[in-house]
Amino acid sequence: DQQVKQNSPSLSVQEGRISILNCDYTNSMFDYFLWYKKYPAEGPTFLISISSIKDKNEDGRFTVFLNKSAKHLSLHIVPSQPGDSAVYFCAASVSGTASKLTFGTGTRLQVTL
Amino acid sequence: DVKVTQSSRYLVKRTGEKVFLECVQDMDHENMFWYRQDPGLGLRLIYFSYDVKMKEKGDIPEGYSVSREKKERFSLILESASTNQTSMYLCASSSSGYYGYTFGSGTRLTVV
Repeated sequence: DQQVKQNSPSLSVQEGRISILNCDYTNSMFDYFLWYKKYPAEGPTFLISISSIKDKNEDGRFTVFLNKSAKHLSLHIVPSQPGDSAVYFCAASVSGTASKLTFGTGTRLQVTL
Repeated sequence: DVKVTQSSRYLVKRTGEKVFLECVQDMDHENMFWYRQDPGLGLRLIYFSYDVKMKEKGDIPEGYSVSREKKERFSLILESASTNQTSMYLCASSSSGYYGYTFGSGTRLTVV
């Protein structure tokens, strides 16, 4: 049972435009959410996170939005750059569970010139 | 620079072999994790440990075991490797109370 879902396996965006990656979750106990970025032959690296007490968090070109009622979060990248081409995973956690993360299936972002 | 080091980048093993995947972290993290990454399935948690000699099953523990004798080292053991265990294996660590993981570079295991 996939508790964290990324329904778009891939996304192609032109350089300079906005990339929007989406993630849905089913477990209402999740209260902390993260995005990770993964290049081929490397481990995932942390990108940005958001607590359930917020609905938005920004870090430079990256913004994560959380809609708790819809159990939906999204990652916006503005402007998109070719170096952003990677697989993006969203992840979710329940407080007090030894920081255990449940990951989504991933979205491959391709930023074209 | 903080690190999680996985002993092998690529491994090829035969069906039925016992396989050891090693992971070492130098950040004094309490928590360590083993995930596998498969196309279309994302990252799935196999086992995790929140302290030395402690272990907890993740979502897909069948066919695997783990060992954590020292804080910095977390080993994943495939008791009898099978072809459906061909995958990318990722080790991660984190500090208690902090949700961000540091991942290793992964081990691409092929079972033939």
